[in-house]
Amino acid sequence: EVQLLESGGGLAERGGSRTLSCAASGFTLSSYAMNWVRQAPGKGLEWVSDINGGGYETFYADSVKGRFTIARDVLKNTLYLQMNNLRPEDTAIYYCAKRRRDGRNSDLEFWGQGTLVTVSS
Amino acid sequence: DIQLTQSPSFLSAFVGDRVIITCRASQGIYSFLAWYQQKPGKAPKVLIYAASTLQSGVPSRFSGSGSGTEFTLTISNLQPEDSATYYCQQLKDYPLTFGGGTKVEIK
Repeated sequence: EVQLLESGGGLAERGGSRTLSCAASGFTLSSYAMNWVRQAPGKGLEWVSDINGGGYETFYADSVKGRFTIARDVLKNTLYLQMNNLRPEDTAIYYCAKRRRDGRNSDLEFWGQGTLVTVSS
Repeated sequence: DIQLTQSPSFLSAFVGDRVIITCRASQGIYSFLAWYQQKPGKAPKVLIYAASTLQSGVPSRFSGSGSGTEFTLTISNLQPEDSATYYCQQLKDYPLTFGGGTKVEIK
C-alpha cells in the first residue's frame, strides 16, 4: 500500500528556514517522479516543485525558485523540501505527491495528508 | 506559463443532477490534463487523468473529455458525497499549473 507521510511543518520566522520531509512506503522513490504542492489557507492549489526518479532533474515554481530545494534520499525512501528565506506568503499546507510514473506528463496519482507551515510576519 | 481557467468557480445543484465543469488552457496541452477532487480538510485525490481516463476506484458517474485547450469534467447523477472543490491541472509543461477550482454545493 502506497503511503506518504509529511513532517516538518510548524512556525517559522520571516527570512528563516525549514525542511519538510515526506516518508514514502509501498513504492521506491527512484522509480517515480515526486512533487510538492501547497495550498495557502482558504486558497487553491499551487504546484511548487518536481524531481524525477533519478534525482537529477528538478523544476520549481517561479515563486520559490532560488529559495526552495527539492531532494530525495533513496536509502531512506524520503523526499525533502528545503525552504530558505521564508516569506509570509509561503504560509500554506504543503503536500507531497507521487506522480503516476517517472518522467513528464503524468498526473499526481497519490498525495500525502499535508503539513502546515506558518511564516510569521 | 500555461494558464488554466475553470468555470464556474461555484455551482449549486440537486442530487441526481448532471453538472459540467469546464477547464480552458491558454495554449494547447494535448490530453495532458488531470482532474482532482478535494474535500474540506483532506488532501486532493485524482479522479481523471490523461483528460478522460477514470482513476481506479472512482465512481463511473465521473467522466472527463477534451483535448487541446478545452476540457470538461462531468458528474452525472450528482450525489451528496460529491460536495467538494474540483481542480484541473495541466501536465504538459513546467511550471505545472492548476485551475482556480470549482466548488460544488449540493442543494
